[in-house]
Amino acid sequence: DSGVTQTPKHLITATGQRVTLRCSPRSGDLSVYWYQQSLDQGLQFLIQYYNGEERAKGNILERFSAQQFPDLHSELNLSSLELGDSALYFCASSKGGTGELFFGEGSRLTVL
Amino acid sequence: EDQVTQSPEALRLQEGESSSLNCSYTVSGLRGLFWYRQDPGKGPEFLFTLYSAGEEKEKERLKATLTKKESFLHITAPKPEDSATYLCAVQASGWTGGFKTIFGAGTRLFVKA
Repeated sequence: DSGVTQTPKHLITATGQRVTLRCSPRSGDLSVYWYQQSLDQGLQFLIQYYNGEERAKGNILERFSAQQFPDLHSELNLSSLELGDSALYFCASSKGGTGELFFGEGSRLTVL
Repeated sequence: EDQVTQSPEALRLQEGESSSLNCSYTVSGLRGLFWYRQDPGKGPEFLFTLYSAGEEKEKERLKATLTKKESFLHITAPKPEDSATYLCAVQASGWTGGFKTIFGAGTRLFVKA
């Protein structure tokens, strides 16, 4: 158990809909990262937050947004969903900006 | 553009047959290189951090090494429980002082008893 909690574990929705994925980092970790993993793309970095502030951005679509709250949990919002958004979404945390990331079990999103 | 390339894509070994996985990278502002293990349906699990060329790290049957352009993960006398996807990642300087961690596509390792 990494100590990172992600909910929901599975989510099935329709095209055009909006979903929110939630992540609680390990106790004491200030950084939260979001990754998307699909079969043909591997782990794609989306965004990083540190203590509530956005710090680094990957190829995150404009339809996607994230935030980190004062209690350090984070949410990833995915809107106007398309079939191609079906993937595993992982949250990871670390104490600061180190590359030693601790991953949650992921949220599997299926868009029908 | 920052890039991490892993080879081979898949590797099938007999139990006890040692081999190496490769990770080559091009990145500006490298802060560190990391190896992770991922089991099916699970999140990646951290294995090693390497910061500078010539550095080596070991854990049980695994040994990671780093040069200026690539890293190797050596697996000595593997067992079936070593079967997993091994991911290489590099951390580069992002914008506004943040740090991106970029992953390669991984090497799927199958070890047969």
